[in-house]
Amino acid sequence: DQQVKQNSPSLSVQEGRISILNCDYTNSMFDYFLWYKKYPAEGPTFLISISSIKDKNEDGRFTVFLNKSAKHLSLHIVPSQPGDSAVYFCAASAWSGAGSYQLTFGKGTKLSVIP
Amino acid sequence: EAQVTQNPRYLITVTGKKLTVTCSQNMNHEYMSWYRQDPGLGLRQIYYSMNVEVTDKGDVPEGYKVSRKEKRNFPLILESPSPNQTSLYFCASIPGPSSYEQYFGPGTRLTVT
Repeated sequence: DQQVKQNSPSLSVQEGRISILNCDYTNSMFDYFLWYKKYPAEGPTFLISISSIKDKNEDGRFTVFLNKSAKHLSLHIVPSQPGDSAVYFCAASAWSGAGSYQLTFGKGTKLSVIP
Repeated sequence: EAQVTQNPRYLITVTGKKLTVTCSQNMNHEYMSWYRQDPGLGLRQIYYSMNVEVTDKGDVPEGYKVSRKEKRNFPLILESPSPNQTSLYFCASIPGPSSYEQYFGPGTRLTVT
């Protein structure tokens, strides 16, 4: 059972326009959500995150929105730049009372920003 | 520079030949994890460690072993590799409880023939 879903394997956007990447989750125990960016031949790098007690977090061109009732989050990139072309992973995390940590990733969305 | 390092970066081996992929972090992080990335499957957790001598299984632990004898190191051991373990492997670390951001290594591409 896939707990974190990114239903769009790929997305193409014109430079300067908005990119919207979507993510859905099923486990209501997740309390923190993260977006990672990955270039070929490199490890994922942290991009932006949001706590489950918030509905929006903004960092420069990147904004993450969280809709808890719908179990949905989205990443907005405005304006999109060619250097944003990468695979974006949505991830959801939870700490258990026993101290174990779960971080579950979606399958990723490949973003291509066309100059 | 704060980083997670992995070695080797690329490895081609044959079925059944034991191998170890090393992972080291210089950030004094308590938690470390191993993931594998496969096409169409995203990143899946293999094992994680909450501290020295404390490890636990992730989502896909079969065929793998780990050890955490020192805080900075978290090697991944394949006792008898098989072709279905051909994958891209990432090591990651987290500062500790109540932290969420994972720092990833550069990856190890393993091919088992």
